[in-house]
Amino acid sequence: DAKTTQPPSMDCAEGRAANLPCNHSTISGNEYVYWYRQIHSQGPQYIIHGLKNNETNEMASLIITEDRKSSTLILPHATLRDTAVYYCIVRVSPNSGGSNYKLTFGKGTLLTVNP
Amino acid sequence: KAGVTQTPRYLIKTRGQQVTLSCSPISGHRSVSWYQQTPGQGLQFLFEYFSETQRNKGNFPGRFSGRQFSNSRSEMNVSTLELGDSALYLCASSFPQGGYTFGSGTRLTVV
Repeated sequence: DAKTTQPPSMDCAEGRAANLPCNHSTISGNEYVYWYRQIHSQGPQYIIHGLKNNETNEMASLIITEDRKSSTLILPHATLRDTAVYYCIVRVSPNSGGSNYKLTFGKGTLLTVNP
Repeated sequence: KAGVTQTPRYLIKTRGQQVTLSCSPISGHRSVSWYQQTPGQGLQFLFEYFSETQRNKGNFPGRFSGRQFSNSRSEMNVSTLELGDSALYLCASSFPQGGYTFGSGTRLTVV
C-alpha cells in the first residue's frame, strides 16, 4: 500500500503557482520524499526528491515540514503542459545500502491547469 | 543522452499466448525496474533487477518473469496471457541521484 495521501484532484490557473500537498505521517528516518508526474499515456517523469531540507530545481520546489510528516510540491508558474497526475512517493535511497528500492505509487493528484 | 527505450510500443496478443517485452536502460544505469499500469489498479511494481540479479519482486503470479543481461538490458515475459494482463508496461532505470527514469512503455492488449 502507498504510504502517502494526496488529494485526488486540484485546479490551478495558468501562470499561478500550483501547490500540491502530500501527507506521509509514517515516513521513516531513512526514507526520502520523491515526486513524479505522469502526462496521459506517457511514462512517469521524475520531478524532485528530498530528505528533510527544502529542495529546488529547474522544475519545482519541494517543501518538507520539520517533522517530515508532510510536504508540498510547488510549481512556481504553472503552464498548460503541467496538467498531469502528480505522485508523491516515499522510499529509501538506493545509496542507503538496503534492498527495497521499489516505488509504491498511490493514486496521485490530477492537476488541471486552466487557461 | 538516450533515454530508456522500450520495445515494442504496442502489442496485440491472444489469450493463452506468451509475450516478451524489452527494455534498454540509460547507458551506465545498472538497475532496471518494471511496472504495470491499468486503469483499475494504477501503477504496480513487478520486479527490479540489478547487475543481472532480481533484487525485488512485487505481488504478481509466476506467469510474470524477467531477466537482465550483462549489458543491463532487461526483458520481461508473460506466459499464458489473460485478458486482465492488458496494460501499459513501464520500465525504469536508476538515476544517479536516486530518481528513476521511465521509458514510454509498451501497451499490451490481450484479445
